[in-house]
Amino acid sequence: GQNIDQPTEMTATEGAIVQINCTYQTSGFNGLFWYQQHAGEAPTFLSYNVLDGLEEKGRFSSFLSRSKGYSYLLLKELQMKDSASYLCAVIMTNAGKSTFGDGTTLTVKP
Amino acid sequence: DTGVSQDPRHKITKRGQNVTFRCDPISEHNRLYWYRQTLGQGPEFLTYFQNEAQLEKSRLLSDRFSAERPKGSFSTLEIQRTEQGDSAMYLCASSLGADYNEQFFGPGTRLTVL
Repeated sequence: GQNIDQPTEMTATEGAIVQINCTYQTSGFNGLFWYQQHAGEAPTFLSYNVLDGLEEKGRFSSFLSRSKGYSYLLLKELQMKDSASYLCAVIMTNAGKSTFGDGTTLTVKP
Repeated sequence: DTGVSQDPRHKITKRGQNVTFRCDPISEHNRLYWYRQTLGQGPEFLTYFQNEAQLEKSRLLSDRFSAERPKGSFSTLEIQRTEQGDSAMYLCASSLGADYNEQFFGPGTRLTVL
């Protein structure tokens, strides 16, 4: 079966930096996405990694190591609005079939 | 609005009834995906389409679930003889395809089976 592991919950302080880890074991790999999901809303795209290394996009960065089956999402200069669930998803086939982790609920405190 | 749309946004039904949901993807996207999400879980893959062809259906999905995308544009997801365990958020997503795998999600249809 497919397996994606993320911490269930994390708490951080406004203005700080937080790293959310994701490890995966899947039957195929064509890339890894991070999505943000606020309560009651649909997921929205944050980042995409297909090659090893760091992808930076404003306050958000994502890292991938395919050999280790590992990724992390780095959020800098945390804001209260960053309180949300962060989903790690592995694209397993060329057609885009994906498996999602259960998400990490991040709470940003003042 | 040029995003993915879903209808209805909420559906309450009695056990044993049939329900149908609609998804309109972003117009130039040829891939369309259906997911189910329950509280505290990530989206669970149900099925996906490349244009009008249904390429894969989750083995977790019973025969009560069926999906169509007759003209390669909008899609419908039907659940027959609903059960209380079907209560969930049903999400639709679309992507451009080829090397562009980013999936854009619709707002979802929340189903409650009484």
